[in-house]
Amino acid sequence: DQQVKQNSPSLSVQEGRISILNCDYTNSMFDYFLWYKKYPAEGPTFLISISSIKDKNEDGRFTVFLNKSAKHLSLHIVPSQPGDSAVYFCAASAQGTYKYIFGTGTRLKVLA
Amino acid sequence: KAGVTQTPRYLIKTRGQQVTLSCSPISGHRSVSWYQQTPGQGLQFLFEYFSETQRNKGNFPGRFSGRQFSNSRSEMNVSTLELGDSALYLCASSLSGDRAYEQYFGPGTRLTVT
Repeated sequence: DQQVKQNSPSLSVQEGRISILNCDYTNSMFDYFLWYKKYPAEGPTFLISISSIKDKNEDGRFTVFLNKSAKHLSLHIVPSQPGDSAVYFCAASAQGTYKYIFGTGTRLKVLA
Repeated sequence: KAGVTQTPRYLIKTRGQQVTLSCSPISGHRSVSWYQQTPGQGLQFLFEYFSETQRNKGNFPGRFSGRQFSNSRSEMNVSTLELGDSALYLCASSLSGDRAYEQYFGPGTRLTVT
């Protein structure tokens, strides 16, 4: 049972344009969400997070949006840069569980 | 501050053998989590330790076990290896393991079972 889903395995975007990565979840107990970026042969790197009490969080070029009613979150990267090419994972956690559930990842390719 | 370190980085084992992987968290971090990453499956949660106590575990067979030492370093062990255990094993540390604290990952140990 995949509680966190990233339905797009890959995404290609032109440099300078917006990249939108999507994530859906099924467990209504999740109250904290994170995005990680992963390059080959490296561990995932934390990008940005959002608590369920917010619907938006921004950090530089990265913005995460949370729609609790739809159980959906998205990561916007503006403008996209070639160095953003990586696999992006969303993850979710519920209070008191001490674990994160990760999606299967979306491979983003930013074309120069 | 040094990051999360994992040893060894690469490992080749034969079916039926056992393996021990090691993880040293960021200094001051007391929570260590382990994940298995396989193609198409994302990161699957194995277990989480805090102050030498396992607080949660994922849906893996009992062949997968772990422990944490008083200095927060952690090891995971896989006994009776199967071909399907070939994966990247990632360790992550955080201050407390609470959902409000992001996890910092090590580079992983690539295990190949032949």
